[in-house]
Amino acid sequence: DAKTTQPPSMDCAEGRAANLPCNHSTISGNEYVYWYRQIHSQGPQYIIHGLKNNETNEMASLIITEDRKSSTLILPHATLRDTAVYYCIVRGPLYYNQGGKLIFGQGTELSVKP
Amino acid sequence: EAGVTQFPSHSVIEKGQTVTLRCDPISGHDNLYWYRRVMGKEIKFLLHFVKESKQDESGMPNNRFLAERTGGTYSTLKVQPAELEDSGVYFCASSQEGTLYYEQYFGPGTRLTVT
Repeated sequence: DAKTTQPPSMDCAEGRAANLPCNHSTISGNEYVYWYRQIHSQGPQYIIHGLKNNETNEMASLIITEDRKSSTLILPHATLRDTAVYYCIVRGPLYYNQGGKLIFGQGTELSVKP
Repeated sequence: EAGVTQFPSHSVIEKGQTVTLRCDPISGHDNLYWYRRVMGKEIKFLLHFVKESKQDESGMPNNRFLAERTGGTYSTLKVQPAELEDSGVYFCASSQEGTLYYEQYFGPGTRLTVT
């Protein structure tokens, strides 16, 4: 079972920041938080991951709380093409306790509206 | 650099028939994963190859599913005989070996319909 909980859906206005929350209260010390998204009819796409520090890349920012029990994915200027299902996934190291696989939950369906 | 490719993109077969799905990972990626999404459900892990060896096959639903990765390059997933509940989208993903924390690159998926 997924170790994360996310709201099932969210709306965001085009050009505004989209803030997608995720709860992972049972995360272990060596587990990372990963975010993927799936745009309709495509395969899942990696966005970002982090352990405890905030992370930023060209796609998004990841804010992880100090106790690591929750995180927020931020798309700073959402576009219509960001409409997708966003998955927050907690995952261990590759060779630790079968840590390679991704366990997907239901995710958050983000709709970016004009 | 070419991404993960899957063939075919769509397959429609009758119950009881056999279907073979193919995945070509990104060149140089030793880790290869199979996932699937059946109607209305989450994406579920099926199995994980490291080169030609099965590292984790805990997600394989039953013995009608057979995955191979001869030579550690492309992989095939055979369903024999197919059942109605096997309908869904089958995804393949690959990643580099040797890194603890890394991203998986997914293919576009094969949509399987069993009638």
